[in-house]
Amino acid sequence: DQQVKQNSPSLSVQEGRISILNCDYTNSMFDYFLWYKKYPAEGPTFLISISSIKDKNEDGRFTVFLNKSAKHLSLHIVPSQPGDSAVYFCAASGYSGGSNYKLTFGKGTLLTVNP
Amino acid sequence: KAGVTQTPRYLIKTRGQQVTLSCSPISGHRSVSWYQQTPGQGLQFLFEYFSETQRNKGNFPGRFSGRQFSNSRSEMNVSTLELGDSALYLCASSLDSPTNEKLFFGSGTQLSVL
Repeated sequence: DQQVKQNSPSLSVQEGRISILNCDYTNSMFDYFLWYKKYPAEGPTFLISISSIKDKNEDGRFTVFLNKSAKHLSLHIVPSQPGDSAVYFCAASGYSGGSNYKLTFGKGTLLTVNP
Repeated sequence: KAGVTQTPRYLIKTRGQQVTLSCSPISGHRSVSWYQQTPGQGLQFLFEYFSETQRNKGNFPGRFSGRQFSNSRSEMNVSTLELGDSALYLCASSLDSPTNEKLFFGSGTQLSVL
């Protein structure tokens, strides 16, 4: 049962344009959402997060939007730069079956920003 | 402040063998989580340790085990290796709870099972 879904395995955009990465979740108990970025041969690094009490959080070129009714969040990168080329993981935390409170990751989206 | 350190970076083993991976968290971090990353499967949660106790566990067979020492360093062990265990194993640390704090990941151990 995949509770966090990133339906686009890959995305390609031109430098300077907007990149939009999407993430859907099925567990309504999730209350905290994060995005991580991963370069090859490195561990993921935290990018931005959002609590379920908000619908938007912004940090420089990165903005995360949360639509709780649709169980959907998105990461916007504006403007996109070649250095943003990486795998982006969406993650959600909350109660996930029984009394387990844990963090669940999506499968990731490979973003390629072309110069 | 030093980051999360994982050793070794690469390992090659054969089926049936066992392997131990090591993780040193950021100083002061008491929670250590382990993840398995395989192509197309994203990051799958193995287990989390806090103050030497396993606090949470994912859906992996009992061949996968771990422990945490009093200095918060952690090890994970995989016994009777199978070809499907080939993956990147990532360790992540956080101050307290990995569910509402950001995680700091190590660079991982790439395990190849032949």
